[in-house]
Amino acid sequence: DAGVIQSPRHEVTEMGQEVTLRCKPISGHDYLFWYRQTMMRGLELLIYFNNNVPIDDSGMPEDRFSAKMPNASFSTLKIQPSEPRDSAVYFCASIKSGTAYEQYFGPGTRLTVT
Amino acid sequence: ILNVEQSPQSLHVQEGDSTNFTCSFPSSNFYALHWYRWETAKSPEALFVMTLNGDEKKKGRISATLNTKEGYSYLYIKGSQPEDSATYLCAEPSGTYKYIFGTGTRLKVLA
Repeated sequence: DAGVIQSPRHEVTEMGQEVTLRCKPISGHDYLFWYRQTMMRGLELLIYFNNNVPIDDSGMPEDRFSAKMPNASFSTLKIQPSEPRDSAVYFCASIKSGTAYEQYFGPGTRLTVT
Repeated sequence: ILNVEQSPQSLHVQEGDSTNFTCSFPSSNFYALHWYRWETAKSPEALFVMTLNGDEKKKGRISATLNTKEGYSYLYIKGSQPEDSATYLCAEPSGTYKYIFGTGTRLKVLA
């Protein structure tokens, strides 16, 4: 299996622009997580899905952030409009329920908002 | 919301030294404790999933123990090597799948 795939790996954008991050979970995994990593706060859970349905989005910082999972093999995290404080590494992870519950992480997207 | 805490925040050891660090978590409603290894510019990789009080797991020179009654887990590295340099994260699910991560212990092994 190719593992969790994220794109793009790096994104540089100007303040105010819309940014879309993409994730393809491991085939057969039914949980998908979006995390943000910053120096100050470490790894923060933003939102997670089960069978394409959002279960908990309490970690989404504000209305500028939205996430969707239209099918079992694709999810997006959108920031509109982006701000410099959104600069971070965004990770996607997936789990197959009924297993040891260890998460498999994607390589991350490094977002820089100037 | 659970508080998962790790100590120390960072650690420098000489090659060949053995080392250990701690993950503390609230002991009520325990479900599982995960350890991850996170190398710079890569993504976190699972090391251990621990579920039972008294669990001890081992992978090569790395081992971990779990005490759910007092709410802590130790990660041990025997004979540290430069390739062990990484951030070691622990996580506990708040609810079945909502993982709360500690801020990690950054280990640097000096050759």
